[in-house]
Order: sequence, then structure tokens, then C-alpha cells
Amino acid sequence: DAKTTQPNSMESNEEEPVHLPCNHSTISGTDYIHWYRQLPSQGPEYVIHGLTSNVNNRMASLAIAEDRKSSTLILHRATLRDAAVYYCILFTSGTYKYIFGTGTRLKVLA
Amino acid sequence: DVKVTQSSRYLVKRTGEKVFLECVQDMDHENMFWYRQDPGLGLRLIYFSYDVKMKEKGDIPEGYSVSREKKERFSLILESASTNQTSMYLCASSSRLAGAGEQFFGPGTRLTVL
Repeated sequence: DAKTTQPNSMESNEEEPVHLPCNHSTISGTDYIHWYRQLPSQGPEYVIHGLTSNVNNRMASLAIAEDRKSSTLILHRATLRDAAVYYCILFTSGTYKYIFGTGTRLKVLA
Repeated sequence: DVKVTQSSRYLVKRTGEKVFLECVQDMDHENMFWYRQDPGLGLRLIYFSYDVKMKEKGDIPEGYSVSREKKERFSLILESASTNQTSMYLCASSSRLAGAGEQFFGPGTRLTVL
């Protein structure tokens, strides 16, 4: 199974943009890149996903490298409510499995 | 608003007890999943089901079984609870039609086995 690598933790100041990196050098052509986040004492929450092109939604943007071996989740203006563990996951279409790594714990400073 | 609910937020059981964790989703999803989450290990898949009465082992099925008698309900069973099964248990569901496989998670059940 393809794996992802993320930094254990990152810090950001409130109101500033945050770029959360993810490496997935063994990604295959049918793997989607998903991002979830987990707020304290809650289950993971879907943030965004993409396949090849960059994606935007109301929560975040996803920038995917041209070779697809890395991606970056962009929070445009971090708030204290964005403090969470962010997981980058590869999902192979037609299967049923996600493989979660240990994620990046984002700390937002007031 | 889509919803995955789990029967308990917190549960305390004794070693050797049979434990049932229940999960219900109201989105008519075909796929349902059980994960456990432990510090430093992230989420690990225990079992999943892609249809009623169908099940597949995940990465760590030992010591667990599952039941899916109705589409909306997926149960995780610990036949004889042990202390190393103390963990946070998360249920999720997804639609087979969603090719990208977005999963919706419940709030989790924190199980302590004494």
C-alpha cells in the first residue's frame, strides 16, 4: 500500500496562511489524495481531495505537484478553531481502504 | 446533515467481557468501517463492510468480529475483551458511488478495559 509522510507538528499564527506538506512518492495513477482533520475529542472530518489538478473548497486549497509525489494543504487564514491533527491519505479508487498515517498536529497561536 | 452515530462516547468493561460497539449511519451508504486509534499509531482499520452481511478484514482484525445485518448498522464485537483493546474506536461510512471514497466518521467510543 502506498504511504504518506508528514511532519509531526507545525505552528502558525492566527490569521496567517498555513501550508501543510505531504510526501507520497509511491503514489499510483489511480490514487486520490485526501485530507482529513481531527479536532480534539472528535472523529476525523473530511477537508478536501484531489487527483491531479489543484482543488479549492470553502475550507482549504489542495496543491498537487506535477509528478503527484507530493501535495500541500493550504489554509488561507488560520483560526484557533483550525488547531487539529491533519491527515494526508491516499485512496485507491475501486478499493475500500484508507491508510491513515500519524498526521501533522497544527498549533495555531493567538 | 449527514450523520454517523455511535452508541456510547465512553465505555468501561472488565477483562473477559463480551463488548458490543454499535454504529448507525443515516446516509444510505453501502460501505462501513471500524477503526481504532491509539497514540502514536494513528487510525488503523479493523474491519469493513461493503454490503449487508458482507465483511472484510482490515489491518488488525485479531480479537474482533463484526456484524452487518442491516444497511444502516455496523457492529463491532470484542468476544473477550482484553486490556490491550483499550482504545478509541471510530466508525465511518462511505458511498460506493463516490469514486474518491470520502468517508464520514462518527464521534468515537473511548473504551477502557480493566
